[in-house]
Order: sequence, then C-alpha cells, then structure tokens
Amino acid sequence: GAGVSQSPSNKVTEKGKDVELRCDPISGHTALYWYRQRLGQGLEFLIYFQGNSAPDKSGLPSDRFSAERTGESVSTLTIQRTQQEDSAVYLCASSTQTGIGNTIYFGEGSWLTVV
Amino acid sequence: AQRVTQPEKLLSVFKGAPVELKCNYSYSGSPELFWYVQYSRQRLQLLLRHISRESIKGFTADLNKGETSFHLKKPFAQEEDSAMYYCALAPLYGNKLVFGAGTILRVKS
Repeated sequence: GAGVSQSPSNKVTEKGKDVELRCDPISGHTALYWYRQRLGQGLEFLIYFQGNSAPDKSGLPSDRFSAERTGESVSTLTIQRTQQEDSAVYLCASSTQTGIGNTIYFGEGSWLTVV
Repeated sequence: AQRVTQPEKLLSVFKGAPVELKCNYSYSGSPELFWYVQYSRQRLQLLLRHISRESIKGFTADLNKGETSFHLKKPFAQEEDSAMYYCALAPLYGNKLVFGAGTILRVKS
C-alpha cells in the first residue's frame, strides 16, 4: 500500500504479557517514528530511527519498551511485562528526511488495551 | 525543554463563525511549527506548517515569536472542519516532533 501500515490495529492483552507492534513505513522513507497517545493526552514521542544512524531512544518510558528496525523497512515496538498504564494508541510515522521541509506520514495506530 | 500547550480540549462553534485554535510553545531555539489534523476515522495528517506560510482549507496560522504562539484561524467554519487538531513543534534542524494535547473542534449547523 501507499501509506504507513500498522498491525495489529487492536490488541487486548493481559497484564504481565509481552506484546509486539509492527510498522511498515512508506517505501523509500528513511526516517521512522513511534509515538504513544494515552486517552485524553497528546502524542508522546517514544523513539526515532534514521537510516543507519543510532536510534534516538530518549522517549522510551522504561526498559520494558524496546524497538528494532530492519534497515529502512519494518519496525517492531516491543513492550515486555505489560502494565495497565501501557494502554494507549501506538502511532508509527515515517518521512523521507528530517528538519526543514519534513512531512511525516502517520499510520492508523495500534490500540493496545492491557487488562 | 520543548513544550506545546493547547489550552482548550474542546471548541464548539456554529457554522459560519470564526475559529481560533490556540497553541503556545516553549523552546529556547528557533522552532518549526505545525498543525496536524485527524478527521473521524482517518489517520493523523499534516494540515500546515509555518515555514510554508500557506493557507490550507481556509486555515492559516502565524508564528508569533514574541508571544510564542502559533494559533490556527479560519474566518468561517464549515461542518467538515470538525476534527481533532494538534499543534506540534520541531527544532529547526531536528527530528523530534513534540505535540500538544490536541483540541477537538466541533462545528454545529
């Protein structure tokens, strides 16, 4: 497809379980971002990948969160030992470059509910 | 630290009325400011950015460095403008978009 694709679109998991969220960026986009949106709050930056550079992990809230990206393609966000406060929409976005002129394109998000 | 503040969670106006969605930011350097919009059942998308100085769907936003604001305005609201609007900031040569909490705009007929 032409847009950023995320899966699963909805995930309900039990507290303590691990979850993996997947993002397929737009082909050719070197930059990839993960954001989190909790109910009633703004988008919270989690992690950023740019080409072969070391990722900017400064937004990851704890060591239970990790993300990988294979080259300039698919990225996986993993949450270990999920907690109820992890319930949120996880948004992936991609872009061709950073800085001035950058437009980032968002996926539809993965809704995570931890029960 | 970068911060974006959107003081209104919900703004409700009548069709044809002027709209102003407020956005204030804090950042020590020169930022790039954006407005993103999310219509019902659609993904978040870019509406406009200050560097382009353009009008999209009748919306404009002017960066006021003195007041550190980037309010979004439209002179005559339309029902199809109903959506969630997010103000966002990025460092001029940076890579990390910081978003506000968003404002729901409801345009009533």
